[in-house]
Amino acid sequence: EDKVVQSPLSLVVHEGDTVTLNCSYEVTNFRSLLWYKQEKKAPTFLFMLTSSGIEKKSGRLSSILDKKELFSILNITATQTGDSAIYLCAVDLYGGATNKLIFGTGTLLAVQP
Amino acid sequence: DAMVIQNPRYQVTQFGKPVTLSCSQTLNHNVMYWYQQKSSQAPKLLFHYYDKDFNNEADTPDNFQSRRPNTSFCFLDIRSPGLGDAAMYLCATSRGGTGSLTDTQYFGPGTRLTVL
Repeated sequence: EDKVVQSPLSLVVHEGDTVTLNCSYEVTNFRSLLWYKQEKKAPTFLFMLTSSGIEKKSGRLSSILDKKELFSILNITATQTGDSAIYLCAVDLYGGATNKLIFGTGTLLAVQP
Repeated sequence: DAMVIQNPRYQVTQFGKPVTLSCSQTLNHNVMYWYQQKSSQAPKLLFHYYDKDFNNEADTPDNFQSRRPNTSFCFLDIRSPGLGDAAMYLCATSRGGTGSLTDTQYFGPGTRLTVL
């Protein structure tokens, strides 16, 4: 059975801290791994990772994929209260013309002032 | 701005009373998806359309149906909602690729369904 596991389930930090969120997966037909940020609304896209070892960066966020060990990490440096959200990891399974996402249960990040 | 729109944002229905949720997109994407997300759980794919081709997930209950009358619109029909169907329902779209090409899904704001 395809599965995506995220850790920790929740995390409380103070502004300015650096956090690392983990995502491991066991799937057949891996195509890509995606990170989303979900506040009190729909998930918003952060990164798509397809190749091992290539870091994707966007401001204070960065992410990297290890296809040999089957995991990805999402780093957030100098955290701000606006970073408080659920961070979802999803794996896109190869299935032809459409993609099927298997989501992890997410990491709830709370950034305190 | 190109976007995915869901209506209504909040829907209250009674146990057993049919309800329809709406999704529209201005992205001109080929694929539209419906997810169910219960509290503190990951989004779970119910079904998706590639153009007019309907693809149902094996574990999606028969109580859930979908219609896509044209490229822009997709509807989720819940024929007889139960208390366990209370959730956030997310619509997403993607361009649709072939072979090994990756594809990004873009989500609407969701409709939160309450069943009384």
